[in-house]
Amino acid sequence: AQSVTQLDSQVPVFEEAPVELRCNYSSSVSVYLFWYVQYPNQGLQLLLKYLSGSTLVKGINGFEAEFNKSQTSFHLRKPSVHISDTAEYFCAVSEYRIQGAQKLVFGQGTRLTINP
Amino acid sequence: DAGITQSPRHKVTETGTPVTLRCHQTENHRYMYWYRQDPGHGLRLIHYSYGVKDTDKGEVSDGYSVSRSKTEDFLLTLESATSSQTSVYFCAISRQGANTGELFFGEGSRLTVL
Repeated sequence: AQSVTQLDSQVPVFEEAPVELRCNYSSSVSVYLFWYVQYPNQGLQLLLKYLSGSTLVKGINGFEAEFNKSQTSFHLRKPSVHISDTAEYFCAVSEYRIQGAQKLVFGQGTRLTINP
Repeated sequence: DAGITQSPRHKVTETGTPVTLRCHQTENHRYMYWYRQDPGHGLRLIHYSYGVKDTDKGEVSDGYSVSRSKTEDFLLTLESATSSQTSVYFCAISRQGANTGELFFGEGSRLTVL
């Protein structure tokens, strides 16, 4: 079974500052890793995903994440945040499988607040 | 847009009453999921479906049942709602032929059980 831990429940930062949202996972099998974003009163949308290959993954809105297998981490970063990045961010893991249902396991979420 | 519609979007009910949430998709996807979202817990899988009349339990299935009588609709039923089932419920689909684990979510249904 997989599990995900997001190390910070809330992260406040100033506009144009860099940010890192931390995520650690545990799994006994190969996994896919994801970051989703949820804006107020909306569903979740995919920011980026790691399936295989390069450990540095770039996503939408200037976000990127780095997969570190030895540390079982998948931290999300952005070099300069904007007010519009205020949202809740979820890290998720899915067992690698060729076919079948894709059952994602989510972390607890990190609320990112951007202050002017 | 993955063509997912959830209804109702908001519902307030009383303890002990039955509640059914509907998820409707327009793209004929095989796999559908129900998650609940609670502060401090992220999203947790309740049930999922891998075809018409084919469903299985997720992590937090107690107190919930599901049905899928046609491809486009996946129903989540609370037979006798309890206050612990106050939550936001999300339906999701995964796209066939794209076994990458990515899910596409509906807008959510906020349920309050008094």
